Amino acid sequence: ETGVTQSPTHLIKTRGQQVTLRCSSQSGHNTVSWYQQALGQGPQFIFQYYREEENGRGNFPPRFSGLQFPNYSSELNVNALELDDSALYLCASSSQGVDGGYTFGSGTRLTVV
Amino acid sequence: DQQVKQNSPSLSVQEGRISILNCDYTNSMFDYFLWYKKYPAEGPTFLISISSIKDKNEDGRFTVFLNKSAKHLSLHIVPSQPGDSAVYFCAASASWGSNYKLTFGKGTLLTVNP
Repeated sequence: ETGVTQSPTHLIKTRGQQVTLRCSSQSGHNTVSWYQQALGQGPQFIFQYYREEENGRGNFPPRFSGLQFPNYSSELNVNALELDDSALYLCASSSQGVDGGYTFGSGTRLTVV
Repeated sequence: DQQVKQNSPSLSVQEGRISILNCDYTNSMFDYFLWYKKYPAEGPTFLISISSIKDKNEDGRFTVFLNKSAKHLSLHIVPSQPGDSAVYFCAASASWGSNYKLTFGKGTLLTVNP
């Protein structure tokens, strides 16, 4: 059973650019959630995808968008990058209706300069 | 406005002793609570959860206690081991029994000394 894999592991972008982060969910999981963890903070919910549709969103602007594919993998896209977007982006997979915690990936460290 | 608070940034305990990590919440709609452990350069790992209909849940060395009237929960680790040294996050959800839209605290760094 493979876990959640995220790519790339590290990324440096310039303010104003666009970025795409990728996530492969754990085998058997049909739901993907994305979290942003700024330095010294806990993870903050961005959005969740289930059956290829957005299934809820946190307090993030529309320039944060996502996709889920038929194989349950997912992308997080951020347009018009700002310095405050520098953070660790965590992808988490789970199964709808199943108790217990997420399986998190190791994250993508994004630095905006 | 922090809805989940972990007021102790760090905690240091001796191997073999009890570690108690605390968490407070303000949102009365939270009905499912989880603890995660995070090592450097890794994603958070699920440890244990508790729903609001219970006041205690135990899994091996880990026990979570929930005091709804005080809006407080705690994680007890007995006995503590050096491998338990990590950042511990408390998280809460307002979607019954679900992982949906977790709200996390800032974490507590636990150091277990040999």
